[in-house]
Amino acid sequence: DTGVSQDPRHKITKRGQNVTFRCDPISEHNRLYWYRQTLGQGPEFLTYFQNEAQLEKSRLLSDRFSAERPKGSFSTLEIQRTEQGDSAMYLCASSLPDTPKAPFGPGTRLTVL
Amino acid sequence: GEDVEQSLFLSVREGDSSVINCTYTDSSSTYLYWYKQEPGAGLQLLTYIFSNMDMKQDQRLTVLLNKKDKHLSLRIADTQTGDSAIYFCAESMGSGNTGKLIFGQGTTLQVKP
Repeated sequence: DTGVSQDPRHKITKRGQNVTFRCDPISEHNRLYWYRQTLGQGPEFLTYFQNEAQLEKSRLLSDRFSAERPKGSFSTLEIQRTEQGDSAMYLCASSLPDTPKAPFGPGTRLTVL
Repeated sequence: GEDVEQSLFLSVREGDSSVINCTYTDSSSTYLYWYKQEPGAGLQLLTYIFSNMDMKQDQRLTVLLNKKDKHLSLRIADTQTGDSAIYFCAESMGSGNTGKLIFGQGTTLQVKP
């Protein structure tokens, strides 16, 4: 078990560009969560999947954000037309239903110039 | 709405006990959590407590839960310099979905030699 992995670990982009992040959950976990953490704050829930179905989206997830989990395994989070306010750490977690532990990945740090 | 609050900073001497406090608002939370985050790193789950428990001890860590006052605390015994980090309190949102969490803003623990 290698834990939750995320790629890339760091991304620097210019304002207006599109970026895509990937999360690979723990293999048997059918739930996958995305969070965003800005500097000096705790993580904020963005969205979660059960298998390939996106079951909930936070109001923080604007129309420029889209997440997918096409085969119920890895997930991607895309941000279109990035803004400086999108600069943050994007964290992914996975779990089995109704278990207390949802391990987090190391995160992708996005810097928008 | 749902909210989790923590004090922002705590400084202790090596060998002393540290107590980090947290208040939360969602009385239907199934689990409450403590996470540790070192600079530039992801979130490490330290411990969690089921909402019908009052106390949980795990080696140097003791979690106390006062459900009536919606107050959670983390005590670290014999605090070491390696415990210096940001500690986040989190509650699961509602019952059942334990991966969907609300985090506090984090308490920075500084351990002086």
